[in-house]
Amino acid sequence: KAGVTQTPRYLIKTRGQQVTLSCSPISGHRSVSWYQQTPGQGLQFLFEYFSETQRNKGNFPGRFSGRQFSNSRSEMNVSTLELGDSALYLCASSLALSGYEQYFGPGTRLTVT
Amino acid sequence: ILNVEQSPQSLHVQEGDSTNFTCSFPSSNFYALHWYRWETAKSPEALFVMTLNGDEKKKGRISATLNTKEGYSYLYIKGSQPEDSATYLCAFPNTNAGKSTFGDGTTLTVKP
Repeated sequence: KAGVTQTPRYLIKTRGQQVTLSCSPISGHRSVSWYQQTPGQGLQFLFEYFSETQRNKGNFPGRFSGRQFSNSRSEMNVSTLELGDSALYLCASSLALSGYEQYFGPGTRLTVT
Repeated sequence: ILNVEQSPQSLHVQEGDSTNFTCSFPSSNFYALHWYRWETAKSPEALFVMTLNGDEKKKGRISATLNTKEGYSYLYIKGSQPEDSATYLCAFPNTNAGKSTFGDGTTLTVKP
């Protein structure tokens, strides 16, 4: 069974630009969650999608958005990038909403200069 | 705001030492507690899903216990090996909030 995949793996952008990250969950998994990890910080929850609907959102500004497609693939978009957005962005898939163990992708390392 | 706390933040042990660390979580509305291992340059990987008070789960030299009444879980590693070096995360799924809250992790370094 293929694992969670994320593309791209590395990205360098400049301030003010926007970026789209992609996540393909494990086949059969309907929930996709996104997390941000910055140096010295734990995993910060961004949002969770289930059946193409955003079910939960973390405490992030509106510049962070996402969506989920009918095949459960998910994209995350960050507009008007700031230096502080430099981080590792992880997505995780699970069979259903919270309570199920999550399977993580390798992450996208975003650097904003 | 849901607090999930892990201690210690980091741990350095010699190969062969046994070690343990703690995850504290709210004792009300408990549904499950997850442990993950996150090795450098890899993705977090699920270790255990703990659901019942008094649960003890084991995988090789690693085991975990759960006390839902007092809101803590211990992770034990017996005879640590260099390959056990990783950050160990616990996550508390909050069914009311519909998301998992992660602790900041315990980073274990095992010196050969």
